Amino acid sequence: EAQVTQNPRYLITVTGKKLTVTCSQNMNHEYMSWYRQDPGLGLRQIYYSMNVEVTDKGDVPEGYKVSRKEKRNFPLILESPSPNQTSLYFCASSLKQGARYQPQHFGDGTRLSIL
Amino acid sequence: SQQGEEDPQALSIQEGENATMNCSYKTSINNLQWYRQNSGRGLVHLILIRSNEREKHSGRLRVTLDTSKKSSSLLITASRAADTASYFCATDDVYNQGGKLIFGQGTELSVKP
Repeated sequence: EAQVTQNPRYLITVTGKKLTVTCSQNMNHEYMSWYRQDPGLGLRQIYYSMNVEVTDKGDVPEGYKVSRKEKRNFPLILESPSPNQTSLYFCASSLKQGARYQPQHFGDGTRLSIL
Repeated sequence: SQQGEEDPQALSIQEGENATMNCSYKTSINNLQWYRQNSGRGLVHLILIRSNEREKHSGRLRVTLDTSKKSSSLLITASRAADTASYFCATDDVYNQGGKLIFGQGTELSVKP
């Protein structure tokens, strides 16, 4: 089954304790992206990757890191989490066709609470 | 930045009625997409309309696009309780760096049985 898998789905942790949220897709998609969703602010892009070893900042990259060593995986790293990073996080991927990208497939989300 | 503005923010209707949601945006686009999000789940793509199209249908969904007014509407006909979800428009901006979508803040639809 074609899917984007995020882990963990839920995490409660404390300020400053490094954490990684994994994202894996099985559709051989070139494009992957991380979003955070907050009430009243909608979805905001954190980082994205157009292919292996190609990553770039989205609209709200501060406090986050990513890597894209393999096509299928795009982990999101919070080196020193802070309470303002408490949010619902989504990973998404899409296929490139010609010069454009197809609609995005989303994971089921990771709800992070930073105390 | 959030380009899409959706209207209304919340909509409550009875089963069998039609639901209409609107989206406005600010820049030139390649296409506009609509997504649905069930509570606690990821977004699911519903329909894509290209900038040179004016109307598109998919099952009970009808999407219109007016590029002169920079607006789109999503119509769900004969709604069902299972249509209860949040609906987001997202634009693929002609100036973006490949793949980026800009999402609106969504319309929360409640369909009462």
